[in-house]
Amino acid sequence: DQQVKQNSPSLSVQEGRISILNCDYTNSMFDYFLWYKKYPAEGPTFLISISSIKDKNEDGRFTVFLNKSAKHLSLHIVPSQPGDSAVYFCAASARGGSRLTFGEGTQLTVNP
Amino acid sequence: DSGVTQTPKHLITATGQRVTLRCSPRSGDLSVYWYQQSLDQGLQFLIQYYNGEERAKGNILERFSAQQFPDLHSELNLSSLELGDSALYFCASSPAPSGEQFFGPGTRLTVL
Repeated sequence: DQQVKQNSPSLSVQEGRISILNCDYTNSMFDYFLWYKKYPAEGPTFLISISSIKDKNEDGRFTVFLNKSAKHLSLHIVPSQPGDSAVYFCAASARGGSRLTFGEGTQLTVNP
Repeated sequence: DSGVTQTPKHLITATGQRVTLRCSPRSGDLSVYWYQQSLDQGLQFLIQYYNGEERAKGNILERFSAQQFPDLHSELNLSSLELGDSALYFCASSPAPSGEQFFGPGTRLTVL
């Protein structure tokens, strides 16, 4: 039962353009969402998070949007840079919970 | 560098053997989490400890056990190893029982 899904295994964009990574969830108990970036041979690095009481959170080039009615969130990276090339994981946790449920990841490639 | 350390970085062993993976959380973090990332699966939550006590349990096999010591470091013990246990094992920590988790670099376990 995949409660967090990232339907695009890969995404390729040009440097300077916008990257949009998508994530869907099925568990209505999830109320906290996070995005992690992972380079090969390293652990996931926390990028940005959003609570279900918000619909947008911004941190520099990274913005996360949450659509609760659609159970969908997205990560926007503007402008995209070659150093952003990595696997991006969406994760979610439930009210008062601690475990993170991860999506399968999306490989982002930013071409110079 | 997340501040979470894991040893060893690589571990190669045979089926039926027992291994111990070690994790030191970030300074001040009371919560430690263990995750498994297999080739065909995403990051799967195994278990969480908070200030020495088990707080949450995921799909952790009975052959696996963990503990958190008074100095807050944690160990994950894997016994009667099978080929399918080959995976990356990540430790994460957080200051509180929930919220953002910061991941270590992982231990790559290969069971031959």
